[in-house]
Amino acid sequence: GAGVSQSPSNKVTEKGKDVELRCDPISGHTALYWYRQSLGQGLEFLIYFQGNSAPDKSGLPSDRFSAERTGGSVSTLTIQRTQQEDSAVYLCASSSGSSGRYTGELFFGEGSRLTVL
Amino acid sequence: GENVEQHPSTLSVQEGDSAVIKCTYSDSASNYFPWYKQELGKGPQLIIDIRSNVGEKKDQRIAVTLNKTAKHFSLHITETQPEDSAVYFCAAREGSGGSYIPTFGRGTSLIVHP
Repeated sequence: GAGVSQSPSNKVTEKGKDVELRCDPISGHTALYWYRQSLGQGLEFLIYFQGNSAPDKSGLPSDRFSAERTGGSVSTLTIQRTQQEDSAVYLCASSSGSSGRYTGELFFGEGSRLTVL
Repeated sequence: GENVEQHPSTLSVQEGDSAVIKCTYSDSASNYFPWYKQELGKGPQLIIDIRSNVGEKKDQRIAVTLNKTAKHFSLHITETQPEDSAVYFCAAREGSGGSYIPTFGRGTSLIVHP
């Protein structure tokens, strides 16, 4: 497929466990974003990767959250010692970055729904 | 940082009526304003956007207006159809040499009754 792929689509975990969410962006897209969507809270920015630049982590809510992007492609969002308030849909998006072809459009995956019991 | 307010949170209309969703933003440096539509179980998808050098843009039944002085922009959907039912998000972004991170509003759930 040519779109953004996220896995797992659904994850149920127990409080205190660690979880990893994966995002496979559109091939060739240099920018990758993670957003969190909680009920009635809109899209909350978490972290932004652009090419080889240092990521913008300004949206991460606590040090339990981290993300990496290997080889400029696949990204993994890790939540350690999960809490019930971490329950949300985690959305990944990619874009063509800041190059001359950049249109501004973000292409979103379908999200990973995380439920912390 | 940027702050985007979106209203209303829920909008219910009859098929064929018009729907208007309004957003305000705080950062005068923002120059790009996209609108996304999110259907149930899907990720948001861009439906229309506007840049700060224009005041209005149309695409078939949807249009967006921008008032930079007042820092507000609106989405207009005419002749609504049941398939327009979804959650709509506005966003604002400053992008000329700065961060390319859009700030989103909280979303509007649009319900179109047949």
